Amino acid sequence: DTAVSQTPKYLVTQMGNDKSIKCEQNLGHDTMYWYKQDSKKFLKIMFSYNNKELIINETVPNRFSPKSPDKAHLNLHINSLELGDSAVYFCASSQVEHEQYFGPGTRLTVT
Amino acid sequence: RKEVEQDPGPFNVPEGATVAFNCTYSNSASQSFFWYRQDCRKEPKLLMSVYSSGNEDGRFTAQLNRASQYISLLIRDSKLSDSATYLCVVNSGQTGANNLFFGTGTRLTVIP
Repeated sequence: DTAVSQTPKYLVTQMGNDKSIKCEQNLGHDTMYWYKQDSKKFLKIMFSYNNKELIINETVPNRFSPKSPDKAHLNLHINSLELGDSAVYFCASSQVEHEQYFGPGTRLTVT
Repeated sequence: RKEVEQDPGPFNVPEGATVAFNCTYSNSASQSFFWYRQDCRKEPKLLMSVYSSGNEDGRFTAQLNRASQYISLLIRDSKLSDSATYLCVVNSGQTGANNLFFGTGTRLTVIP
């Protein structure tokens, strides 16, 4: 009974491709997030959704588009992938102002 | 200035040792503070929340000093299984949001 799940776990693709990462949580949380952890292990928030509404949109390229069909799902679509997009992407969820629970991560490699 | 600053380490300590990590944060409006643990190639997991009065969970003690904007984590009687990266985490302080800022982490290796 996984709390926060992501698919795929690994994603290897070429520059210029479009790809999606899916995230689902079964914790009943209202808020979901996407984080990027780069090669230096720095974890930085990209997006936050509260009840299907975007409430934080950090300065990420508009090639990245989050989509939330319902409050249990937050998917991340990336257009025209670049080498610099290679990183580990973590999905997380929480009740607002409480601790966040992370998914296992998606390791994206762009070649 | 980064929202959260930590000494990246590495800290290499023998089993049984006591080790302390510190971090500072820049946003005085922050209301929630946490220590997360991240094992190699795994996701961050909550270790403990940090309360103004300080709190303890077994061998782990967390302290918060709002005046100095400083958070600490003390680990007593280190175990091999404590080897991980410890992330200091602070929220943005925005009402209705839960934007968390992570430090770069402090790497701990406990040596047999």
